[in-house]
Amino acid sequence: QVQLVESGGGVVQPGGSLRLSCEASGFNFRTYGMHWVRLAPGKGLEWVAVVSNDEISTWYGDSVKGRFTISRDNAKNTLFLQMHSLRADDTAIYFCAKETKNGYNPSYFDYWGQGTLVTVSS
Amino acid sequence: EIVMTQSPATLSVSPGERATLSCRASQSASTNLAWYQQKPGQAPRLLIYGASTRATGIPARFSGSGSGTEFTLTISSLQSEDFAVYYCQQYNYWPPYTFGQGTKLEIK
Repeated sequence: QVQLVESGGGVVQPGGSLRLSCEASGFNFRTYGMHWVRLAPGKGLEWVAVVSNDEISTWYGDSVKGRFTISRDNAKNTLFLQMHSLRADDTAIYFCAKETKNGYNPSYFDYWGQGTLVTVSS
Repeated sequence: EIVMTQSPATLSVSPGERATLSCRASQSASTNLAWYQQKPGQAPRLLIYGASTRATGIPARFSGSGSGTEFTLTISSLQSEDFAVYYCQQYNYWPPYTFGQGTKLEIK
């Protein structure tokens, strides 16, 4: 069965950096676009970024553009999110999510991980 | 960016009754609309895609309808496990993919 397991969350000071990982199993990872979506306290889901199946193309939400970098290693079935210049409003549970296409076409998210908590606080 | 607006923010319903959740898009999303269920500490779960197609393993009591800018998720007879937060998401125009702010379905 499809499994997505996030790791790397924790407490970081404002301005700091953190790298999240998502290990995937149970499906052909290199076929599908992969996303990060976050859930901040008291707020709704917010789409963060997507990387295409071929590791080449990426797109970002405006709130993280220029600070976050999404990437993937198809040989290791792993998705990453490198986060820099973290702010208090980046505090959230970060979910990785699989889409049903290759990342170049619109898609919904058919499988999600359980999330990893990132807290930005001094 | 397409802004998604869900109503109501909180819905109180008794087990066994029907629940109707609404989602409105600021511009047409065609039928590129998904619904997700989210419980604390759990992964979000896909319920509906294409506005009206149930995802694999989703019970028939969940149904979706609508197109363009107005969408509805109906749960015909609420079970205890259905009390959760529900989100709609459009995937007609991206980036960005956008979600509604959620409807919390609570026990009356």
